Amino acid sequence: AQTVTQSQPEMSVQEAETVTLSCTYDTSESDYYLFWYKQPPSRQMILVIRQEAYKQQNATENRFSVNFQKAAKSFSLKISDSQLGDAAMYFCAYRSASADKLIFGTGTRLQVFP
Amino acid sequence: DVKVTQSSRYLVKRTGEKVFLECVQDMDHENMFWYRQDPGLGLRLIYFSYDVKMKEKGDIPEGYSVSREKKERFSLILESASTNQTSMYLCASSLAWTREQYFGPGTRLTVT
Repeated sequence: AQTVTQSQPEMSVQEAETVTLSCTYDTSESDYYLFWYKQPPSRQMILVIRQEAYKQQNATENRFSVNFQKAAKSFSLKISDSQLGDAAMYFCAYRSASADKLIFGTGTRLQVFP
Repeated sequence: DVKVTQSSRYLVKRTGEKVFLECVQDMDHENMFWYRQDPGLGLRLIYFSYDVKMKEKGDIPEGYSVSREKKERFSLILESASTNQTSMYLCASSLAWTREQYFGPGTRLTVT
């Protein structure tokens, strides 16, 4: 069975600095998708970034980028120029290309200090 | 923009009550999902549906049932609420299996 591990329950960063959130996963499949979701306090969960396993190029969305290491089964999220609005719970998620559900990690709470 | 709405943000029920949580999406998505979110456990899938009147068990279906009579609406039912079902419940929908899921705002259910 696939698993997703986020080993950092909490992280903090100074405004304008860069922070990296870690995520590792375990799977025997070769075709899958990886996601980072953001859940601000008392607000809706939204997708931050998505990576297809067959793509070697790391996905980037504005200040958010990933470091996808397929052989190491690692999928970290880098937030550059951190803003106060980045404070949230961040979830890493895995989805097999042949299955129908997301498998989530336990989340990392990010605090951003001015 | 995709909109997923849930009937209540906060709900307080008593042990043994029957509880209905409603979810509606407005983007004609085929797939809908119910998760529960607990601290330190992340999100766990309760049930999902890939079509009207179709349902599949997720990882933790015990104590729950679902109903999908219309494409846009997916209901989660707690037949007899128990205190261990106190949690945040999130609904999500997606257009197809290869697409990301869009989430509702969540319902924080407290069972006393």
